[in-house]
Parts: sequence; C-alpha cells; structure tokens
Amino acid sequence: NAGVMQNPRHLVRRRGQEARLRCSPMKGHSHVYWYRQLPEEGLKFMVYLQKENIIDESGMPKERFSAEFPKEGPSILRIQQVVRGDSAAYFCASSPLGLAGVNEQFFGPGTRLTVL
Amino acid sequence: GNSVTQMEGPVTLSEEAFLTINCTYTATGYPSLFWYVQYPGEGLQLLLKATKADDKGSNKGFEATYRKETTSFHLEKGSVQVSDSAVYFCALSRTGNQFYFGTGTSLTVIP
Repeated sequence: NAGVMQNPRHLVRRRGQEARLRCSPMKGHSHVYWYRQLPEEGLKFMVYLQKENIIDESGMPKERFSAEFPKEGPSILRIQQVVRGDSAAYFCASSPLGLAGVNEQFFGPGTRLTVL
Repeated sequence: GNSVTQMEGPVTLSEEAFLTINCTYTATGYPSLFWYVQYPGEGLQLLLKATKADDKGSNKGFEATYRKETTSFHLEKGSVQVSDSAVYFCALSRTGNQFYFGTGTSLTVIP
C-alpha cells in the first residue's frame, strides 16, 4: 500500500508566481490535512479537507492561499503571488474514514517551497 | 483550548545516554497523545501513541506514559543511538481529525 505522496518534492518560485502543491492520500483515506513548517519551527495546521469539502480552514492565511480536494484526483494547495515568507516545507497528511477512537495521521515526505 | 508544550532543544547526547524529552498538554476532555519523529529531509512518522490515561506507548526502545494527573507524556529511551538523531514532535488529538503539534525537539546523538 503506497503511502501519502506529495509532489513536487522541491519547488522554486519567484516572487509573484503561483505555487501548486499536490497530495495523494493513502488508498482508502478520505481525510486530508495540510501543515506548514517554517524553518526552525514546528508544524502549523493549515486546513482539513474531505472529498469536495473544506472542513476546517482556520489555519489558512486569509489571502493568496486556497485548498481543494476534488472527487477525483489529488488534493491541491495553491499559493498565489508567492512572497519570500512563504518559503517553508508543506506537509500533507491523511487519515481513514472516521471510526470510534482516534485515527493516526500518515504524513507525506513534504514539498519544500523556496521563493526567490 | 488545546495545546502542546515541548521541552526546547536542541538536545545533544552521547551514544548510550538516557533520553528524556518533556511534553505537557492542555486539552478539554480526554485526548489521545502521540510522539512523531522526523528524520532529516523526510516527513513525520508515528513513533508511538497512547489513547487513555496510564497507557504506555512504546516502539523501537522509546516509551511514553500518558499521565493525566500531571498532563504529561514525556518521551524516554534508555540508551540512544546515533541513528536516533532526528526532530521529535509531541502531539494530541481529541477527535482524531484535529491534531495539535508541539514545536519539536531536535536531538543529536554523537558517537
């Protein structure tokens, strides 16, 4: 069973460009989470999605950032008009359909975004 | 609210030394507690977890006990190896779908 896949692993953008980060959850997982890890900091929750629905976007910056998890295909985190402060590692995690008890989150290898 | 406070690093130990990384939490209700490990250049991997008070999670020689009375989940290992060098994150979840992570503790083990 393949794990959580993210691509690209490394992404370089110039200021003002758009960055699109992709995440394919583990097979059978319908919950996707995006986190951002700034240099020398911990993980900060950004957004939680289920198929075609945003469940919680309380950690997402109000401007320039958006996320989707369509019925078919990977989840996409989009950052428009990137700035240097967006340089970070972006991690995706997935978990299976909610059951009684607590589900583990399985993490992808991350996308390291560098804004020049 | 829900939050996790971890011991600040970095931590540097000699091989075979004893490791403790402190973690305390604040949560409403009864959360599940986790330790994740992040090796250089990689994503996070679950190391161990505990879902109720007094449970002990263990894996690869690491242990942590869920202490409700002290709201703690300290990570311990009796004898660290160079290969244990990584960043360790304490986390909690109440619903299974909302995780709260600590800031991470960097561990370096020197031969």
